[in-house]
Amino acid sequence: NAGVTQTPKFRVLKTGQSMTLLCAQDMNHEYMYWYRQDPGMGLRLIHYSVGEGTTAKGEVPDGYNVSRLKKQNFLLGLESAAPSQTSVYFCASSYGGTRRLNGTDTQYFGPGTRLTVL
Amino acid sequence: AQKITQTQPGMFVQEKEAVTLDCTYDTSDPSYGLFWYKQPSSGEMIFLIYQGSYDQQNATEGRYSLNFQKARKSANLVISASQLGDSAMYFCAMREGGSRSNDYKLSFGAGTTVTVRA
Repeated sequence: NAGVTQTPKFRVLKTGQSMTLLCAQDMNHEYMYWYRQDPGMGLRLIHYSVGEGTTAKGEVPDGYNVSRLKKQNFLLGLESAAPSQTSVYFCASSYGGTRRLNGTDTQYFGPGTRLTVL
Repeated sequence: AQKITQTQPGMFVQEKEAVTLDCTYDTSDPSYGLFWYKQPSSGEMIFLIYQGSYDQQNATEGRYSLNFQKARKSANLVISASQLGDSAMYFCAMREGGSRSNDYKLSFGAGTTVTVRA
């Protein structure tokens, strides 16, 4: 049981390049999330998904796209990377459903991807 | 408005002593969950403990306990018998529940860095 895994762990891009970050979870969770963490700050939600085939915008969605073609995978894409997207990216997953309605829905995080855009 | 406030940017604690990390929150939702995560220097986000807004007793998980004072809207984390491996950044987070359909994110505080001294 690997939990939440992310690939790659590190990446350096040049401005304007594109890339895709892959997140996979083996806990059969319905909900998945992408966050970014910048120095001195907590995490901010980029996009999330409440089930296979669904996606929605979070707090800071601009410049990113996502897809959830399979329940266990959640992809984060950067079409044209900018230096402002230099950050650590975390994927998370949770059960969702009724646990969301009563606030008990614990999110479990992957190890993170450190992205630098030059 | 900030939903989670952690006022202590950094703390030092002697090994084997207890340390309290402050967290205050702001919500008008009667149903919510409070979470603490640990982020060691390796970067991963590790779930530590959860407290639900309707829980009658304070949550405990091993050496971690949560001092939940609902009327004051505070959810302080207490780490007892500190160990060198407890040196890390600690984040308080809140998940609002209820019937609103669009608020899926965890709202994070800015974090508190704990350094345990031998």
